[in-house]
Amino acid sequence: SQQGEEDPQALSIQEGENATMNCSYKTSINNLQWYRQNSGRGLVHLILIRSNEREKHSGRLRVTLDTSKKSSSLLITASRAADTASYFCATGGVYTGANSKLTFGKGITLSVRP
Amino acid sequence: EAGVVQSPRYKIIEKKQPVAFWCNPISGHNTLYWYLQNLGQGPELLIRYENEEAVDDSQLPKDRFSAERLKGVDSTLKIQPAELGDSAVYLCASSLGRGLSDEQYFGPGTRLTVT
Repeated sequence: SQQGEEDPQALSIQEGENATMNCSYKTSINNLQWYRQNSGRGLVHLILIRSNEREKHSGRLRVTLDTSKKSSSLLITASRAADTASYFCATGGVYTGANSKLTFGKGITLSVRP
Repeated sequence: EAGVVQSPRYKIIEKKQPVAFWCNPISGHNTLYWYLQNLGQGPELLIRYENEEAVDDSQLPKDRFSAERLKGVDSTLKIQPAELGDSAVYLCASSLGRGLSDEQYFGPGTRLTVT
């Protein structure tokens, strides 16, 4: 089963605008990660935020985590056409050992119009 | 530095035929993952290796799927016999550590079409 649920499913914006994508999850997590997937290619890790962190930045990316609401958001500022891709949130569970794994959501399709 | 290498990139087979996918992780990465990704969905873990040991294969359909990582480096995922529902992209990933708090590096995937 996929724990993370992204919202919206699809987003279309103009180049230069900001894009905000949300992820909600159900059980306690150790960390939450965001990945990007360009058409026909593998996933690329963007950013990881741990359960004891509330906000993290990386270049034009800003991620927030609210463990009380079990939700995260990814903000891409000043979007570019090259940001067009699918974005996935992935949650890492609190348990260690054989049953621990990253669980991916269904993804958000972002289209940035030039 | 080379990324995760997968081959083939595309494979078309008839149902009931066998198929194998190969993955070479990033050098030095002890943990290797095989994921299945259906269209419009996120990746779902099939199996995770730490070195040559399969530490999580709970999602691997063992009646038809098998995997190996004999020397703790490259890995092979096999399906025998393939079914129509196996059509998907099979992704391989690797990480330096055990993965939960580690960045996973993904290969380009193998797109399997079963006819």
